[in-house]
Amino acid sequence: EIVMTQSPATLSVSPGERVTLSCRASQSVSSNLAWYQQISGQAPRLLISGASTRATGIPVRFSGSGSGAEFTLTISSLQSEDFAVYYCQQYNNWPLTFGGGTKVEIK
Amino acid sequence: EVQLSDSGGGVVQPGGSLRLSCAASGLTFSSYGMSWVRQAPGKGLEWVSSIIGGGTGNTYSADSVKGRFTISRDNSKNTLYLQMNSLRVEDTAVYYCAKNPTWGTTWLFDSWGQGTLVTVSS
Repeated sequence: EIVMTQSPATLSVSPGERVTLSCRASQSVSSNLAWYQQISGQAPRLLISGASTRATGIPVRFSGSGSGAEFTLTISSLQSEDFAVYYCQQYNNWPLTFGGGTKVEIK
Repeated sequence: EVQLSDSGGGVVQPGGSLRLSCAASGLTFSSYGMSWVRQAPGKGLEWVSSIIGGGTGNTYSADSVKGRFTISRDNSKNTLYLQMNSLRVEDTAVYYCAKNPTWGTTWLFDSWGQGTLVTVSS
């Protein structure tokens, strides 16, 4: 099983700041990496697929990068609606696995 | 617009059974792989099971549910199911149905249901 490790677990940020979230895989997943946003009390929402392709309707302030085993999600200027938990997920191998999440909270 | 509506959750005793349903609309249901993902209270996301599109019924399941949970689909009713048997306390979670963007080659989740809560407790 591929273990996905996200860091940090929690990030305290002010609106307007640039945010960088990290996701590391225990082995290469190529570019088969997705990012999701989950706002409290809601279902997750797909942000990024293929490590760097924004999903339909996702603002350009969200960007993904990386390949192999190291990935990054960047939010260029944090908006109030972006405070949420972010998960990465690999879909290169079965079983499908998620990272533990990074909570982005208001500073 | 794709809409997924999960239902069937509730309270069940350990060892009991429950069947979850997910009604889909706004898509050609048979063309897409479908999955169940769960989230225990206060915890992260955990993939449970997936089924490819079409009618061949190929399925994949997490080891934690293999032999106890069965995923299936009825393309004529645009509905996904999860039959859960021999339920354990640790199966307590919100269960989400989720759509995959392809028939069965790209297993990420591009649309999600609202979730249905399953509580296993005596």
